[in-house]
Amino acid sequence: GDSVTQMEGPVTLSEEAFLTINCTYTATGYPSLFWYVQYPGEGLQLLLKATKADDKGSNKGFEATYRKETTSFHLEKGSVQVSDSAVYFCALSSAGGFKTIFGAGTRLFVKA
Amino acid sequence: DTEVTQTPKHLVMGMTNKKSLKCEQHMGHRAMYWYKQKAKKPPELMFVYSYEKLSINESVPSRFSPECPNSSLLNLHLHALQPEDSALYLCASSQMLLGQGASSSYNEQFFGPGTRLTVL
Repeated sequence: GDSVTQMEGPVTLSEEAFLTINCTYTATGYPSLFWYVQYPGEGLQLLLKATKADDKGSNKGFEATYRKETTSFHLEKGSVQVSDSAVYFCALSSAGGFKTIFGAGTRLFVKA
Repeated sequence: DTEVTQTPKHLVMGMTNKKSLKCEQHMGHRAMYWYKQKAKKPPELMFVYSYEKLSINESVPSRFSPECPNSSLLNLHLHALQPEDSALYLCASSQMLLGQGASSSYNEQFFGPGTRLTVL
């Protein structure tokens, strides 16, 4: 079945450091890919998405590119802030279905 | 309005109590979801309603009873819960959208803030 694997955390960075959170997936057909963010005590928010190969999703300085050849959707940000401290979930949605498959989540701590 | 609201924000209940969680959206979405999230884990799908009909039940125990009174509202009725049911309960909604791949569609979900449930 479909699955998402993302790097284990926690990831601890200093402010203004470069961030990469790796995500790979297994799916049939043409899944859409997402990154969701969950701040402490809150629900999930969609951070960015990509619906086809080579699409780049971007939002709030975060970027991820849908790489079909490597089945990856790595999240990057050039300069993190303390306010980016949260849990990040990579997810996929298979064509025509209502189910979203989530990765295990990666907790990010950013120190001032 | 791109918001999903949930009430209450926190709920503490005993194992013999009956309570309900409520969820509301006004984005015209026709799919609504209940998820359960334990600490440091991803959300686990419980139920999906599509056009007010139950489409998916992920083998959830009958002490959880969902209800979709109309296209904007989703309830989760709780009865005789166990302490291990303590978790964050998230509601979400979506409209199936057409993607750009061959015959693709995708499911962008909007989540509410959740209800933090504690069962004593």
